[in-house]
Amino acid sequence: GQNIDQPTEMTATEGAIVQINCTYQTSGFNGLFWYQQHAGEAPTFLSYNVLDGLEEKGRFSSFLSRSKGYSYLLLKELQMKDSASYLCAPMDSNYQLIWGAGTKLIIKP
Amino acid sequence: GAVVSQHPSRVICKSGTSVKIECRSLDFQATTMFWYRQFPKKSLMLMATSNEGSKATYEQGVEKDKFLINHASLTLSTLTVTSAHPEDSSFYICSARVSRAYNEQFFGPGTRLTVL
Repeated sequence: GQNIDQPTEMTATEGAIVQINCTYQTSGFNGLFWYQQHAGEAPTFLSYNVLDGLEEKGRFSSFLSRSKGYSYLLLKELQMKDSASYLCAPMDSNYQLIWGAGTKLIIKP
Repeated sequence: GAVVSQHPSRVICKSGTSVKIECRSLDFQATTMFWYRQFPKKSLMLMATSNEGSKATYEQGVEKDKFLINHASLTLSTLTVTSAHPEDSSFYICSARVSRAYNEQFFGPGTRLTVL
């Protein structure tokens, strides 16, 4: 079956760094997306990894290891507006995104 | 960036009525559009995938006669919830993809449906 495993909730302090881990099992693989979703809103795109390694984009970076079925999202210099759910979504062989419940990130002052 | 709009953003209706939700790609042509529903604190659930000009492919457990999907053009897809019941109350989100060669899905802002 297809499966996504992320922590349900994480708490971090404003200005700090947090790493959100994701392990996945899919039927085939066509890359992995990270999305941010604020409560009551639709997801917004953060990053896409299809090759192993680290992709850096401003305060956010995403890492992928295909052999381990593992990815993480690294958020630096945390701001209060970063409080949201973060969704790890690998794409399977049918080019469909597989969604987990996401990680709710709480930022404290 | 690519923009997807949804209309309405919020709708309240009586049980037994039908509700139509529109999803439009504003600045690109979407060969494929996806319809999701999301319950509070739950993951996105794919309901169906629609390709322009062809019938939608529904996920297992989704009633195609209840959730009618039309993808009449490369910029518009509609979801009609027929004979809505309170258990259909949910957050419905569409997304659009340009092509398989470009995998990113662009999401609409979502539609909050409340059935009384």
